[in-house]
Amino acid sequence: AQKVTQAQTEISVVEKEDVTLDCVYETRDTTYYLFWYKQPPSGELVFLIRRNSFDEQNEISGRYSWNFQKSTSSFNFTITASQVVDSAVYFCALSFGNAGNMLTFGGGTRLMVKP
Amino acid sequence: KAGVTQTPRYLIKTRGQQVTLSCSPISGHRSVSWYQQTPGQGLQFLFEYFSETQRNKGNFPGRFSGRQFSNSRSEMNVSTLELGDSALYLCASSLPASGKISYEQYFGPGTRLTVT
Repeated sequence: AQKVTQAQTEISVVEKEDVTLDCVYETRDTTYYLFWYKQPPSGELVFLIRRNSFDEQNEISGRYSWNFQKSTSSFNFTITASQVVDSAVYFCALSFGNAGNMLTFGGGTRLMVKP
Repeated sequence: KAGVTQTPRYLIKTRGQQVTLSCSPISGHRSVSWYQQTPGQGLQFLFEYFSETQRNKGNFPGRFSGRQFSNSRSEMNVSTLELGDSALYLCASSLPASGKISYEQYFGPGTRLTVT
């Protein structure tokens, strides 16, 4: 069975702090894709990143970075120098094998950045 | 490019009624997926449509159904509504998955359904 676990349900930081959101996944497939989405208070899920199982290179996009480690089945997300606008719920998700675009989501981590 | 649109944005229905939600994907996207989001169960996959055919289905009862039209627009229907169907229903569009390649999905603002 496929499963995504985000153990941190809520994180609170002060602006400019760095914060890492953890994501651990389970799948028996060798080909799979991992995603991160942001859900601000408005409710719309915003796509952040897609990574396939064969590409373990870390990725950086501005203040955002992602660390993919197959050895620990983790795909962690770090925000550097957090800002109040980063406050949102962040979801990690998995799609796999021949399941098309079906996403299995983690429970989400609510990030609160205080000024 | 216009994003994914969903109508209506809010709905209040009574137990036992049925409801139809609509989704228009991003131009050029032919795959449409539906998700249910509740505080208790989180985000759960309902179904995916591509070329007017249901491609995948999540673990939901048969009261939940959907369809896709030739212009890729999609509708989902919930019959005999129950209180537990109260949720945010999200539609997402993407390029169609090919073989074992799946693509990022772009989500609409959702329809918030309240069943009383």
